[in-house]
Amino acid sequence: DTAVSQTPKYLVTQMGNDKSIKCEQNLGHDTMYWYKQDSKKFLKIMFSYNNKELIINETVPNRFSPKSPDKAHLNLHINSLELGDSAVYFCASSQWDSYEQYFGPGTRLTVT
Amino acid sequence: GQQVMQIPQYQHVQEGEDFTTYCNSSTTLSNIQWYKQRPGGHPVFLIQLVKSGEVKKQKRLTFQFGEAKKNSSLHITATQTTDVGTYFCAGPRGGSNYKLTFGKGTLLTVNP
Repeated sequence: DTAVSQTPKYLVTQMGNDKSIKCEQNLGHDTMYWYKQDSKKFLKIMFSYNNKELIINETVPNRFSPKSPDKAHLNLHINSLELGDSAVYFCASSQWDSYEQYFGPGTRLTVT
Repeated sequence: GQQVMQIPQYQHVQEGEDFTTYCNSSTTLSNIQWYKQRPGGHPVFLIQLVKSGEVKKQKRLTFQFGEAKKNSSLHITATQTTDVGTYFCAGPRGGSNYKLTFGKGTLLTVNP
């Protein structure tokens, strides 16, 4: 069973489009995250939710909107996609009292 | 803001040689974590160090946390081709154990 899953794995789209990435974890964790990894492999946190509540919101354009319908799911919607949004987006989860983060397989987003 | 610097950026070794990557923080850390990301894969948690001067071993991997809790190292003895990947250190930022600042990683390649 996959612990943290993301869909889709690959996403190719044109500038100006709106797209969503979904994430689900079956670990029973109460905290979930979105990270962006650029072409130079730099990994940067974007958002974090704890029990469906937003707890971390980094300096991310407001074209990015996360949503957590329940503590097992965290989705990321991106409006008006730009070339610079091309990256691999990782979802991760952890238990509130544990530091260890479990990452999903990633979604490679390519904006043309 | 807090910075986590990691060196070297790249390291190529012959199989059987040792490898070390170093991590330095601009601020004192409450803990430091290490992750490994295989090519095309996702970051996988390796270990967390909490105490000043702490040393932990996992088979051929030795992790150290500096006395001042501002630096850390990962040493691999007798590298194998399975060690290939990018090794990241990560430290909590802004008093939050869940907002991690990742180093830029060290990409290790091993020549068989």
